[in-house]
Amino acid sequence: GQQLNQSPQSMFIQEGEDVSMNCTSSSIFNTWLWYKQDPGEGPVLLIALYKAGELTSNGRLTAQFGITRKDSFLNISASIPSDVGIYFCAGQLQGGSEKLVFGKGTKLTVNP
Amino acid sequence: NAGVTQTPKFRILKIGQSMTLQCAQDMNHNYMYWYRQDPGMGLKLIYYSVGAGITDKGEVPNGYNVSRSTTEDFPLRLELAAPSQTSVYFCASSYSVGEQYFGPGTRLTVT
Repeated sequence: GQQLNQSPQSMFIQEGEDVSMNCTSSSIFNTWLWYKQDPGEGPVLLIALYKAGELTSNGRLTAQFGITRKDSFLNISASIPSDVGIYFCAGQLQGGSEKLVFGKGTKLTVNP
Repeated sequence: NAGVTQTPKFRILKIGQSMTLQCAQDMNHNYMYWYRQDPGMGLKLIYYSVGAGITDKGEVPNGYNVSRSTTEDFPLRLELAAPSQTSVYFCASSYSVGEQYFGPGTRLTVT
């Protein structure tokens, strides 16, 4: 099936540092979404993007819908310990698919 | 507004037993999805529904069945449980394809 390449797989950073992660594909997407999953919980929607080039913020989080429609980026500024978790990207393929394609996640560890 | 609720939270099954995982949403969403997440892995789509009375297979449907008799409920049935079905199961719903909202999950162990 379709794949999203999410990188990096894991990150270990110090509190206060900025974080960047991304998802890429060879396919074109209509929608990009970013989720965070805390241990033992379900994924929670952070940001949704609907247009190529769109840049959207949610507090310290900023995500962008790539111009080529084949990638998306998530940045977290001034990380804090509660940013720890797994971040997933997801996208709806061009053509009106009824399903989302999910990346495999980026595991973020923040050292206080 | 409870969002997406799942029951039970935990369950241990013996090989060959059957059970139904319950999922309900109170957001009047048309789309509902079942995923499984194995330890340290991403989400795999089991089944989904675009409205009451309509269901379709996802990536890993074998060993599972679903029904969608109402907009609110989307139960997942496991028949003849196998150890390979040990996983965390998440239900999600959305108004359209994007912006899926997830339940808290059901942690299932088959021994």
